[in-house]
Amino acid sequence: DAGVIQSPRHEVTEMGQEVTLRCKPISGHNSLFWYRQTMMRGLELLIYFNNNVPIDDSGMPEDRFSAKMPNASFSTLKIQPSEPRDSAVYFCASSFRGVNEQFFGPGTRLTVL
Amino acid sequence: SQELEQSPQSLIVQEGKNLTINCTSSKTLYGLYWYKQKYGEGLIFLMMLQKGGEEKSHEKITAKLDEKKQQSSLHITASQPSHAGIYLCGARRGGADGLTFGKGTHLIIQP
Repeated sequence: DAGVIQSPRHEVTEMGQEVTLRCKPISGHNSLFWYRQTMMRGLELLIYFNNNVPIDDSGMPEDRFSAKMPNASFSTLKIQPSEPRDSAVYFCASSFRGVNEQFFGPGTRLTVL
Repeated sequence: SQELEQSPQSLIVQEGKNLTINCTSSKTLYGLYWYKQKYGEGLIFLMMLQKGGEEKSHEKITAKLDEKKQQSSLHITASQPSHAGIYLCGARRGGADGLTFGKGTHLIIQP
């Protein structure tokens, strides 16, 4: 069975551009999580969904960040406009009910110049 | 918010030696998760502990959660080069499902 799929794996963009990161969770999982990892702050939760509904978005840095989950098999994290401080590795994870183990995707390494 | 302190921050161990990594919280842990991360890659789930005093093992890795559910340890027996990487502990925040993570322990295995 395929694991969590993220695309793109690497993204380099210029400041001010819109960036969209994509995630396909493991089939049958009903919880989806977006995390961000940086050297300074470590791994931080941005937002998570249960049954496609956003439950906690308190980790979203600011209004430039938005996330959607239009159906059970797809989620996006959008940054508009992007800034150099958004450079990080963004991970998507999914689980069957949030209390169980979360399976992480390979991450998207974002560089904003 | 719940913060997790991991110690040590980095660890260099000779191949074949045992080692222990600790994860401490100031608040009760509602589920403690251990992950391993290879440099530049995603996180690999190792173990999840939920009950005070719980202990789980997988191959040469053993994780424990203390009775008060505020500290967990990860013990590796007879370390191998394949054990090298970053070990992260994560915990659910109260009744919420999202995880808060420690800063990680960088493990290097010397041949």
